[in-house]
Amino acid sequence: DIQMTQSPSSLSASVGDRVTITCRASQNIITYLNWYQQKPGKAPKLLIFAASSLQTGVPSRFSGSGSETDFSLNISSLQPEDFEGSTTFYCQQTYITPWTFGQGTKVESK
Amino acid sequence: QITLKESGPTLVKPTQTLTLTCTFSGFSLSTSGVGVGWIRQPPGKALEWLAIIYWNEDKRYSPSLKSRLTISKDTSKNQVVLTMTNMDPVDTATYYCARASHIAARPFDYWGQGTLVTVSS
Repeated sequence: DIQMTQSPSSLSASVGDRVTITCRASQNIITYLNWYQQKPGKAPKLLIFAASSLQTGVPSRFSGSGSETDFSLNISSLQPEDFEGSTTFYCQQTYITPWTFGQGTKVESK
Repeated sequence: QITLKESGPTLVKPTQTLTLTCTFSGFSLSTSGVGVGWIRQPPGKALEWLAIIYWNEDKRYSPSLKSRLTISKDTSKNQVVLTMTNMDPVDTATYYCARASHIAARPFDYWGQGTLVTVSS
């Protein structure tokens, strides 16, 4: 299985901060990398697909980059709704089954 | 409007078989490239991919659970069914179904609300 390792596991930030979350794959996954946001008690929501494509309706403050084994999710200016009740972000590889998720990065208000 | 909804028991006993149904609308599982998958999340833990079935009946399973899982579809009813045998308390989790899009990297672009399944005697 391809292992997906996110860092950091958690972070504290303030409104307006720029936030970067990284995801490393244990082997080359080209750009078969997706990012999701999950708020407490809710299903995950797709933010970024294919490493850098913004899902329709997702604010442009979210962006993704990377290829092969190293990827990142950037939030240019954190908004209150981005970490209401502590939000968790997950990366996922869909290069080969079993599709695997990272362990998650929890973002909380500083 | 695309929606998915999971249904099934909220409580199962150890060794029993779990059957979950995902009923969806707004898309067809006969459309080329589309799939429906199952993902679970134990309380307070990360997401775990379980299985997926595609428009062409191609099925893939998590290797660690493959012997216990069966995924099937009824295109006419817009349903996907997941069965998991020999349930154990460690299988307690929220189970989600989600559509795998045909776009690049085939992300899960629409998710059900999830259903919490507790395994306990």
